[in-house]
Amino acid sequence: AQKITQTQPGMFVQEKEAVTLDCTYDTSDPSYGLFWYKQPSSGEMIFLIYQGSYDQQNATEGRYSLNFQKARKSANLVISASQLGDSAMYFCAMRVASQGGKLIFGQGTELSVKP
Amino acid sequence: SAVISQKPSRDICQRGTSLTIQCQVDSQVTMMFWYRQQPGQSLTLIATANQGSEATYESGFVIDKFPISRPNLTFSTLTVSNMSPEDSSIYLCSVEAPDRAAGYTFGSGTRLTVV
Repeated sequence: AQKITQTQPGMFVQEKEAVTLDCTYDTSDPSYGLFWYKQPSSGEMIFLIYQGSYDQQNATEGRYSLNFQKARKSANLVISASQLGDSAMYFCAMRVASQGGKLIFGQGTELSVKP
Repeated sequence: SAVISQKPSRDICQRGTSLTIQCQVDSQVTMMFWYRQQPGQSLTLIATANQGSEATYESGFVIDKFPISRPNLTFSTLTVSNMSPEDSSIYLCSVEAPDRAAGYTFGSGTRLTVV
């Protein structure tokens, strides 16, 4: 069965420092995609970054990068130069090709950025 | 990427009543996804709605409780029927971007409180 695990319920980071949010996944399907979303207190889901299972390079989007370790089945999100506005819930999600396009979400990590 | 208009944004309902949530997409999409986010929890897929066919429900969700309509490629509704306080959640609709690397777009969510 497909599963996403985020083991950090909450994280603190000092403003301007980098932080890594952990995500591990489990699937036997060779074709899958991994996503990270940010959910501020307003409740909206903001797409941050995507990594395909066949992508050779780690994805990067501005201050966000994805540390993709395929053999370890991990897809950690790295946020560089944290800002106060980064305080939010962060969800890792997986799309498995054989499962028809639906996203499976991890439990989420609440990030708090300290001034 | 697509823009989704979801309404209502919030509602307070009496137990035993029903609420219909609407999602309008500004482009044609094959599949629409409906999620539930219980307080302090992650997103759980309720069902996948395809135009012209019955929705596909995930384990633990049934059509009698969460009937879905998908009359065309830009619109879908989810009804929460015979509500109880346990149905108090955020309900979100979502569509996949044509370019998978652009992620999935989510509606702004419906915050439902059942009293």
